Amino acid sequence: GAGVSQTPSNKVTEKGKYVELRCDPISGHTALYWYRQSLGQGPEFLIYFQGTGAADDSGLPNDRFFAVRPEGSVSTLKIQRTERGDSAVYLCASRSDRATGELFFGEGSRLTVL
Amino acid sequence: GDSVTQMEGPVTLSEEAFLTINCTYTATGYPSLFWYVQYPGEGLQLLLKATKADDKGSNKGFEATYRKETTSFHLEKGSVQVSDSAVYFCALSDSGAGGTSYGKLTFGQGTILTVHP
Repeated sequence: GAGVSQTPSNKVTEKGKYVELRCDPISGHTALYWYRQSLGQGPEFLIYFQGTGAADDSGLPNDRFFAVRPEGSVSTLKIQRTERGDSAVYLCASRSDRATGELFFGEGSRLTVL
Repeated sequence: GDSVTQMEGPVTLSEEAFLTINCTYTATGYPSLFWYVQYPGEGLQLLLKATKADDKGSNKGFEATYRKETTSFHLEKGSVQVSDSAVYFCALSDSGAGGTSYGKLTFGQGTILTVHP
């Protein structure tokens, strides 16, 4: 597609459940980022992929959060044993050129944990 | 660590008014600075950027100048329109002393702008 695509756009789950959020970046973009945006806050960095490898996962809040990008394109953010505090909008962004610094964002996946 | 502080909102203006949204930053390296905008129902979009001191980024009538001496990157527009109503985020990408950057952005908390006719 023309832009970064994220699915689902909305996810409601119960505390303790497992959740997967998918990101399909712009074709050809090698860099992929996940951010989390809580209500009234700016996006917070979670993890960065260059190709298939996670080059920086310093933003993942704990070991319940994990992300993969097995073929260097689509990425999946996985959250185990969800907690109410995980409720947020999860944003994915991709970029092609290391030098420009411009990230292209998807519309996000809104996660609500009841 | 790196941080970005934006003026608190929300900001409400009448059409054709002058807009300033303040942004200051702290960074350990040589950051590039950005303003992103989020229109209702849409994803974040890059509005403008500046990569070195005294650079001015501009787009759609918005401007911001990279001021290293005051560590600021204030957003301005001379005459706002109703269509400018959105959430505005200041952000930095710290290149580090080596001069390379992989695009990890640190965002401010965002400023909601509402423009009335």
